[in-house]
Amino acid sequence: DIQMTQSPSSLSASVGDRVTITCQASQDISNYLNWYQQKPGKAPKLLIYDASNLETGVPSRFSGSGSGTDFTFTISSLQPEDIATYYCQQYDNLPQVTFGQGTRLEIK
Amino acid sequence: EVQLVQSGAEVKKPGESLRISCKGSGYSFTSYWISWVRQMPGKGLEWMGRIDPSDSYTNYSPSFQGHVTISADKSISTAYLQWSSLKASDTAMYYCARTHIVVVTAHWYFDLWGRGTLVTVSS
Repeated sequence: DIQMTQSPSSLSASVGDRVTITCQASQDISNYLNWYQQKPGKAPKLLIYDASNLETGVPSRFSGSGSGTDFTFTISSLQPEDIATYYCQQYDNLPQVTFGQGTRLEIK
Repeated sequence: EVQLVQSGAEVKKPGESLRISCKGSGYSFTSYWISWVRQMPGKGLEWMGRIDPSDSYTNYSPSFQGHVTISADKSISTAYLQWSSLKASDTAMYYCARTHIVVVTAHWYFDLWGRGTLVTVSS
């Protein structure tokens, strides 16, 4: 099984801060990695696909990078509406599809 | 409007059967897979499996294989998730998600989500 280690599990930052979340795969998954945002009480929402592609309509302050085993998700300037839990998700080899544990982001 | 509309919340007793649904509209239902994702109370996301509505081919996560059945009726653009005998541990929110596939590169992602169906199993 491919394990995804996402860190940190929680994060507190101020409006305007640069926020970075990492996801590490237990084996090479190329760029088969997506990022989702889940606000409290809501369904998840796709932000980044194929590790670095911004989904249509998603603000440009969100970005993703990485390949192989190490991936990074960045919010360049944190906004109040970005309060949510963020998940990475790999799909290198069906049926092995796994999400990271999630990162809960709070405003300081 | 492009959307996935899920059936309403359910309260069931252990041992009962259940089928929940996910109806797609505003797009070609057979052009995308439908995946099901579980979220237990206060926990993260778990992929359960997926179906290709065009031919009803399925894949299941090993964690859910044999415990649930995913099906679809393309004539009414609806996918289903069903249990034959519920357990208290099945209590969770269940999301369906449209799965966009790029055949050439084998990339795929969940680009449209339903609002979720809350299933509560309690005696």
